Amino acid sequence: ETGVTQSPTHLIKTRGQQVTLRCSSQSGHNTVSWYQQALGQGPQFIFQYYREEENGRGNFPPRFSGLQFPNYSSELNVNALELDDSALYLCASSLDGDTEAFFGQGTRLTVV
Amino acid sequence: LAKTTQPISMDSYEGQEVNITCSHNNIATNDYITWYQQFPSQGPRFIIQGYKTKVTNEVASLFIPADRKSSTLSLPRVSLSDTAVYYCLVEGYSTLTFGKGTMLLVSP
Repeated sequence: ETGVTQSPTHLIKTRGQQVTLRCSSQSGHNTVSWYQQALGQGPQFIFQYYREEENGRGNFPPRFSGLQFPNYSSELNVNALELDDSALYLCASSLDGDTEAFFGQGTRLTVV
Repeated sequence: LAKTTQPISMDSYEGQEVNITCSHNNIATNDYITWYQQFPSQGPRFIIQGYKTKVTNEVASLFIPADRKSSTLSLPRVSLSDTAVYYCLVEGYSTLTFGKGTMLLVSP
């Protein structure tokens, strides 16, 4: 148990729809990062939030957006879903950007 | 250009020591070397982190030579439950860059 929880665990959406994934960080952690993991690949960095501000972004289009709330929980929003967005989405929390990050179990998104 | 290079897969037997080596020729001065473990359909789990020389914790040891261009994760006496993907990362901050990792298969 890492103390990081994600919801929902599984989700099926239709191409073109929008989706919101949620993450509750480990208590006391002020940094949250989101990753996309396609089958057979390592996790790919989407973006990071530190104290409610975006603090870095990977090579993902603007239809991937996020929020971090005052209690440090977070959301990942994806608009205009594409088939290639099907993946395991992981969030990770850490304290002040420490490289020891704690990952949630992930949300398995399937786009049909 | 990949930040790290590690074997795609390794096989071992229960009770053996497993050493997974990672190359990181372009490591920066402020980068730490961190290893994560991942089971199927779960998030990666932090194993160990080091900057130089040797680090040991309750599950693994990490050996880093003086030039820091490589590192070796050592898992003593592996069990079937150690079957997983192991990722080597070099980072100065928590925006982690994962490669494909090393798939370790432990057999009876």
